[in-house]
Amino acid sequence: GQSLEQPSEVTAVEGAIVQINCTYQTSGFYGLSWYQQHDGGAPTFLSYNALDGLEETGRFSSFLSRSDSYGYLLLQELQMKDSASYFCAVRDRMDSSYKLIFGSGTRLLVRP
Amino acid sequence: DTGVSQNPRHKITKRGQNVTFRCDPISEHNRLYWYRQTLGQGPEFLTYFQNEAQLEKSRLLSDRFSAERPKGSFSTLEIQRTEQGDSAMYLCASSFKGARFDYGYTFGSGTRLTVV
Repeated sequence: GQSLEQPSEVTAVEGAIVQINCTYQTSGFYGLSWYQQHDGGAPTFLSYNALDGLEETGRFSSFLSRSDSYGYLLLQELQMKDSASYFCAVRDRMDSSYKLIFGSGTRLLVRP
Repeated sequence: DTGVSQNPRHKITKRGQNVTFRCDPISEHNRLYWYRQTLGQGPEFLTYFQNEAQLEKSRLLSDRFSAERPKGSFSTLEIQRTEQGDSAMYLCASSFKGARFDYGYTFGSGTRLTVV
C-alpha cells in the first residue's frame, strides 16, 4: 500500500517563504503531485515531479528526492490568498493504476 | 468548456435513503475519478473510469456504492441505504490520458452529502 506524511499545520507571515514537506511510502513510484484547496473549494493542481530536482512555477516550486522518498512544496512571497490546505499525492506505479493517493493535507495560515 | 461540473452541490437525506450524484467532466478528458473527502482529510479514492470502463474500485468501498459512466461521458455515483458515516464531500475529477500532466486532475466543486 501507500502512505504519505505531511505536517498538519504551518503558519507563516505575509511576504515570507514557507516549505511544506511530504514523505511517502509506496511499493513503486510514479511521481509526486501537489494540490491546493481553499476552504469550501475544489482541489486545484499546482505541480508534478517525476524526476529528482526542483520544478519552478512562479512563486511556487516543488522538489523531489526519490532516494529519500521525500518532496516539498516551496511557496515564496507569501500572500494572504495562499492560506489554504496543500496536499501531496502519489501514484503507485506497481499496481498499474492511474489513481492518485493523497496525503491528509497541510493547512497553511498566512498572517499579516 | 467550463471545467468539471457536479450536481447537486448539496444533498441532505435521511438515513436509509438512496442518493445519486452526477459529474460532467471536461469533454476532452477520457479519465474520470470519484473521491470522498471528510473534514481535515485528503481526498480518498473511490473509483475511476477510462472512457466507459470502470477500471478500479476501492477495496474499502461498500457494496452500497456504485458508479456508472455510460458512453464515456458523464458519470453517476449512487449510494444506497445511506448511513450517517457516508456524510462527506464527494469529489469528481477528470484527466486526459497522454498529457504531460496526466496527474494533473481537474476537480469539480463537489457534492456535499449530509445524512441525518
